[in-house]
This record gives sequence, C-alpha cells and structure tokens, in this order.
Amino acid sequence: GAVVSQHPSWVICKSGTSVKIECRSLDFQATTMFWYRQFPKQSLMLMATSNEGSKATYEQGVEKDKFLINHASLTLSTLTVTSAHPEDSSFYICSAILQPEAFFGQGTRLTVV
Amino acid sequence: ILNVEQSPQSLHVQEGDSTNFTCSFPSSNFYALHWYRWETAKSPEALFVMTLNGDEKKKGRISATLNTKEGYSYLYIKGSQPEDSATYLCAYWGSGGSNYKLTFGKGTLLTVNP
Repeated sequence: GAVVSQHPSWVICKSGTSVKIECRSLDFQATTMFWYRQFPKQSLMLMATSNEGSKATYEQGVEKDKFLINHASLTLSTLTVTSAHPEDSSFYICSAILQPEAFFGQGTRLTVV
Repeated sequence: ILNVEQSPQSLHVQEGDSTNFTCSFPSSNFYALHWYRWETAKSPEALFVMTLNGDEKKKGRISATLNTKEGYSYLYIKGSQPEDSATYLCAYWGSGGSNYKLTFGKGTLLTVNP
C-alpha cells in the first residue's frame, strides 16, 4: 500500500513554544490530508482537512490560530501547534487520501511540560 | 456534524467465540465506509474499504457487510483469538463539499480472553 510518513514520532516541548509536525506522502500525491487528535481513552477526532494550495478547513471547536496547517505541496502537509500548553499534550495523526483509501502516518506523541 | 455511531462500545468474548459489531452512518452523500483495526497510539490498520450497497468483504476470519440505503455496516469476527483484541473503528467518507472527509466512530473495544 501507499506510504505516509509522519515526523517526529514523539516530541517533548516547553510550555509556550511551538511544535511543527510533518506529514508526507512518500509515493503518491495527496491533494487532501486529514489531521486527527486522540484524546485519552477516546477515538480519533478530526481536527481539520488540509487542502493543497488552499486554506485548511477546521472542525468546529478547533482553533485555527492555535493549530496552523500548511499544505504547500502535493506531498507535504504540516501541523504547527503554536504556543503549546500542557492541555495540548496528545497523540496527533495524519492521513492522506489515495482514493478510495486513506493511509495513515505513524502518529506523533506530543508532551508539553 | 456527522454522526457515525458504533456499538457496542466494548465487548469481552472468550477465545473461539464469534462476534460482530455495528457501525451506523448517514445514508446521504455516501462515498465509502472504512473499517480499521486500531491499537491506541499507533497507526490504524486498514481492514476494508467498502463503497457499494450490498458489499460483503472478507479477510481471513474477519468479514464485513454494507447497507448504504439504511446506513449501517457490520463487522464479523469468526473464532476470535486473543490477538484480535483491539479497537475496531469504522470511518464514514462523505461525498461532495463539506462532507468530503473521513469521520470516525468512537470504536468498539474488543477483548478476547484466552
């Protein structure tokens, strides 16, 4: 199957700093990527839909100024958690669409201290 | 807000038992229904991608059916094994505009006791 690479797989950062997470489709072009977050003991919650060359579409309740998404090329989308706080600590995972399937990155465990 | 519901929320079975879970989703603007096997903090493992009403798919001891008119899908596991223990997620993929996204249900946590 197609490969999606997400980096870093884990990161620890200080409160107030920003963290960038990259999601790359390695062997296909993805005009659409999704970003998800897993809250403790919960399922994957869609944060935003990343569209190449245009603004991301955010789900209700997700702060777009807090979670900056850039999809500048057909193989790369980035999620930047700005001014991170401990409550942003979570598991973030991206997926890229190669119709009719979705392929997932390995996920990023973010810990804000 | 798209409603993708899964039931039961959790399930405990004995090794060798057969089991099934349900995923319900909007019957309008349907594009595809995905099933994943998921272990927490890992990447979901794709089981099935289902697009046609009446689809039945099988992979080993696991199979799934799809009814797009009434908006439900069943996942069956025959002869459960301890290694089947995981969360099983379904994801609805709508068509067109704001529906073009993959929305996950909350999952069914399966525990298979040896």
